[in-house]
Order: sequence, then C-alpha cells, then structure tokens
Amino acid sequence: QSALTQPASVSGSPGQSITISCTGTSSDVGGYNYVSWYQQHPGKAPKLMIYDVSNRPSGVSNRFSGSKSGNTASLTISGLQAEDEADYYCSSYTSSSLWVFGGGTKLTVL
Amino acid sequence: EVQLVESGGGLVQPGGSLRLSCAASGFTFSSYEMNWVRQAPGKGLEWVSYISSSGSTIYYADSVKGRFTISRDNAKNSLYLQMNSLRAEDTAVYYCARDHQDSSGWSYDAFDIWGQGTMVTVSS
Repeated sequence: QSALTQPASVSGSPGQSITISCTGTSSDVGGYNYVSWYQQHPGKAPKLMIYDVSNRPSGVSNRFSGSKSGNTASLTISGLQAEDEADYYCSSYTSSSLWVFGGGTKLTVL
Repeated sequence: EVQLVESGGGLVQPGGSLRLSCAASGFTFSSYEMNWVRQAPGKGLEWVSYISSSGSTIYYADSVKGRFTISRDNAKNSLYLQMNSLRAEDTAVYYCARDHQDSSGWSYDAFDIWGQGTMVTVSS
C-alpha cells in the first residue's frame, strides 16, 4: 500500500489561510469518506484534528477544516497562528482493510 | 485522565524479538478498537496493526505481516505487540493509538488518543 501524497512543506503568515492537499487513489481517499488529519509537534505524539473528511473532534479549533474532491482531500487552516507550526499528516482507510498515512507536510508560520 | 502508556522498547539485534506493551487508563478499554502506529527517525507515520475490541479481528500492514503479532488483554487494560525477526527498517518510535468513538459508541477510522511512544532500535 503506497503512502498518500502530501506536499513536503507549506508556509503562511499569521492570520492567513493555508491548505494542505492529500492525494490518494480510488482505493483509499476516493473510495471512502474516512480521511483523517493529524498535527504533530516536534517530539510529541500526533493529535487528531479532523476525522471522516470534515469532522472536528471536541476541543479542536474551528479554524481547522477538511474537505475532499475525488481522490484528493484537503486540510485548511484559517487565521494562522504561531502554535499551528507543526507537521501535518493525512490518513485514509483503504480497500484492503488497512490504513495508510501521507508522507507529512511541514507547516511554517512566517 | 484518558491515557495510553507504552513500554518495552529498546535495542535489539537484527533477527531478534521484542514485546511492546501499552497500558490504558481513564476509559473502558474493552470497548475500544486499538492500533499500533510507528514512526522511523525523521520520517512519517506508518500504520502497523489493528485489533478489534474483542480481539477477534486483526489486520497488519504488509511490511510486518508474518513477523508481528498484536494482542490484547481486556482484563488487564493492556495492548501488546510481539515483534519477531526484527530488521533495521523496523527501527522507529512505536505508538499505541485508540480508535475514535462518539458518545453512542460508534467507532470511526481515526485515532484520537495516542501514547507517548516507545523507541525500538534494531542494530548490531
């Protein structure tokens, strides 16, 4: 099972919005609404930010939103803040009853 | 407090074995599906294995199938990963992670609680 494709890095200034893409295939991202997104700060465990494409767990800021079109899912962060600087990973359930992650995107807040 | 605490990592030679444990607290462990996810140094996340709440359904990533065994003891609130025939490419931080559930008990394909991780180094 190949990893989902994410840009290696994205950047934005405080207050701006950024979008991170996550491209898979019809066997994973395109085939199921089971895409999730995780935030990971250096040396820390990942934190669930979005599940089922666009749902936020309790306690996650509404500045984080998710969407999907075809085989590509997206995470948008609006009103960028310094503490949003972290690595972000997408994940999807697959037709093989497995789970696959993206390669990760490093977000830099300028 | 909802918590997962991994243990059992360490340095092991290629071909060797190691057993990881994950102790759960603060929630009804027996009601949750669980997973192991790993992260090689400086690399991304890789899903390793899944086990249903009863232990009756198990899945593995192709990279570990036939070498790793996931199990759980609901009476002890514990998750395990037996790792055999270890290779250098298994070197990683291993996290246990809980499947996300809503208040009705519906389970989602996302991981909402993670442990702090335990480091496994395979080297001679």
